[in-house]
Amino acid sequence: GAGVSQSPSNKVTEKGKDVELRCDPISGHTALYWYRQSLGQGLEFLIYFQGNSAPDKSGLPSDRFSAERTGGSVSTLTIQRTQQEDSAVYLCASSLELDHEQYFGPGTRLTVT
Amino acid sequence: GENVEQHPSTLSVQEGDSAVIKCTYSDSASNYFPWYKQELGKRPQLIIDIRSNVGEKKDQRIAVTLNKTAKHFSLHITETQPEDSAVYFCAGGNYGQNFVFGPGTRLSVLP
Repeated sequence: GAGVSQSPSNKVTEKGKDVELRCDPISGHTALYWYRQSLGQGLEFLIYFQGNSAPDKSGLPSDRFSAERTGGSVSTLTIQRTQQEDSAVYLCASSLELDHEQYFGPGTRLTVT
Repeated sequence: GENVEQHPSTLSVQEGDSAVIKCTYSDSASNYFPWYKQELGKRPQLIIDIRSNVGEKKDQRIAVTLNKTAKHFSLHITETQPEDSAVYFCAGGNYGQNFVFGPGTRLSVLP
């Protein structure tokens, strides 16, 4: 079946602009996660959803970051007033339940110029 | 919250030798420990996982051991091959919380 998909695959934006990243999880997966991976760095947890609810938003780097999930499926990660330090690969993952294996999407490479 | 440490950060082995990567975790409530392999430019892929009611799990050349008392778990790769070269991430978590990933280990298998 189809895996996790993300769009766009690449995004180049000017500093100060807003960007929206999209994640389509595997059908039926209740949990969805967003991570950030900077060049040569590990995986930085941002936020997770159980259904449409995000119980823990403490991983978001600043109040410029927000995420939502509607209908228990698609999620969007929004970064307002982008900064150069936001440049990274943003990975989305989904799992059947919270303590099940996570399947990662291909990521969105964000470059802020 | 959970904190996962991973060692070594880089590891080089000769083809055919074994590789061992170790992780420790802090939250005794964690009950699920997956390992991910990330090849250059690709997404992380789950290679093996272990739950807290199991001490060891093996899948061909890959094995994972878990010591709940000491709160550490390890990945063992035997008969390493060049295609095993990648970054390996361990993670720990439990139901109702997010997974926390270790910082990763860059494994290089030298021909």
